[in-house]
Amino acid sequence: EAQVTQNPRYLITVTGKKLTVTCSQNMNHEYMSWYRQDPGLGLRQIYYSMNVEVTDKGDVPEGYKVSRKEKRNFPLILESPSPNQTSLYFCASSGTENYGYTFGSGTRLTVV
Amino acid sequence: AQRVTQPEKLLSVFKGAPVELKCNYSYSGSPELFWYVQYSRQRLQLLLRHISRESIKGFTADLNKGETSFHLKKPFAQEEDSAMYYCAPRGSASQGNLIFGKGTKLSVKP
Repeated sequence: EAQVTQNPRYLITVTGKKLTVTCSQNMNHEYMSWYRQDPGLGLRQIYYSMNVEVTDKGDVPEGYKVSRKEKRNFPLILESPSPNQTSLYFCASSGTENYGYTFGSGTRLTVV
Repeated sequence: AQRVTQPEKLLSVFKGAPVELKCNYSYSGSPELFWYVQYSRQRLQLLLRHISRESIKGFTADLNKGETSFHLKKPFAQEEDSAMYYCAPRGSASQGNLIFGKGTKLSVKP
């Protein structure tokens, strides 16, 4: 089944403790992207990647890192999480410009 | 600057009434346009894209390049249409990047 898989689905962590949210797609898609979703703010893009080793900042990249060493994986790294990074995170991938993105199920992160 | 505006945060209608969710965009070049839907506690799903000119679950969307709008319409709303709806342009100007409006919450009352 074609899908985008995120892990974990839920995560509670403490301020400053490094964490990684994984994202993997099995559709051989070139484009991958991370978004955070907050009430009243909609979806805001954190980082995106156009292909292996090619990444770029979205609208809200501060406090996040990404890497794209393989086509299928696009992990999101929070080196020193803070409470304002508490949010619902979505990973998405797409094959070409004119195809829509396929989204993962989301990761609900709480930083205390 | 690339920008998507969905002017209504919340749209409430009765079952069977027509629905129009508005979307205006400001975007370099000629973007491809999409509507996504998010049902409660679920992932975003692609609802429709302009290039395919399809109708999904009774929804259609008309692109007006002069007004830079891509409004989503349905003639008769159903309760199961209650969800968050996001308009999203995407184009070569941003090399495939997809940006979203802030979304409109549609509530269909019985």
